[in-house]
Amino acid sequence: AQSVAQPEDQVNVAEGNPLTVKCTYSVSGNPYLFWYVQYPNRGLQFLLKYITGDNLVKGSYGFEAEFNKSQTSFHLKKPSALVSDSALYFCAVRDRLTRAGNMLTFGGGTRLMVKP
Amino acid sequence: EPEVTQTPSHQVTQMGQEVILRCVPISNHLYFYWYRQILGQKVEFLVSFYNNEISEKSEIFDDQFSVERPDGSNFTLKIRSTKLEDSAMYFCASRDGTSGSDEQFFGPGTRLTVL
Repeated sequence: AQSVAQPEDQVNVAEGNPLTVKCTYSVSGNPYLFWYVQYPNRGLQFLLKYITGDNLVKGSYGFEAEFNKSQTSFHLKKPSALVSDSALYFCAVRDRLTRAGNMLTFGGGTRLMVKP
Repeated sequence: EPEVTQTPSHQVTQMGQEVILRCVPISNHLYFYWYRQILGQKVEFLVSFYNNEISEKSEIFDDQFSVERPDGSNFTLKIRSTKLEDSAMYFCASRDGTSGSDEQFFGPGTRLTVL
């Protein structure tokens, strides 16, 4: 079984400050990890992924995430937050060992609020 | 840039009625998915579809649900007899399936309201 935890329902940060949105995961094998963002009344938009290789992954809109195998974490980060980053962020995992068509398991989401 | 599209954006139906939600995945993608998100809750996997058959389904995807790829472009989710608890946002997603392309691309969703 695979699962994802996003321990914070909401993260508040001032514009220009660094932000971190936390994610921990559990899979039986090695993970594929993803971050998606959801703006109001919109679908899920892919931000970045970790498949293999460098633990620091860079994605869209200046976001990056760090894979930490020992802590089973994949926290999303951005050095300088923008008001337009305010949205709902979802972490997701897929077990690499399962079949190619396998599902994503999502965390509960974290609402990011960036204040001017 | 190619994108996944879904119709309708909002569907209102009476309990017990059949609904069909439609999706057009990205054209060269091989894997197709349906997820749902009940208001205020997490996104939940329903079903994955590859090579014209279901490859995996969750416990949510019971006999009331079915999927079909009736032609080369559409991918549909049918709910045979809707229940109040089926009210949710339904997202279609597709994935390339070739090496290195593991991300799923999601459509804007269909909001289903069952009265």
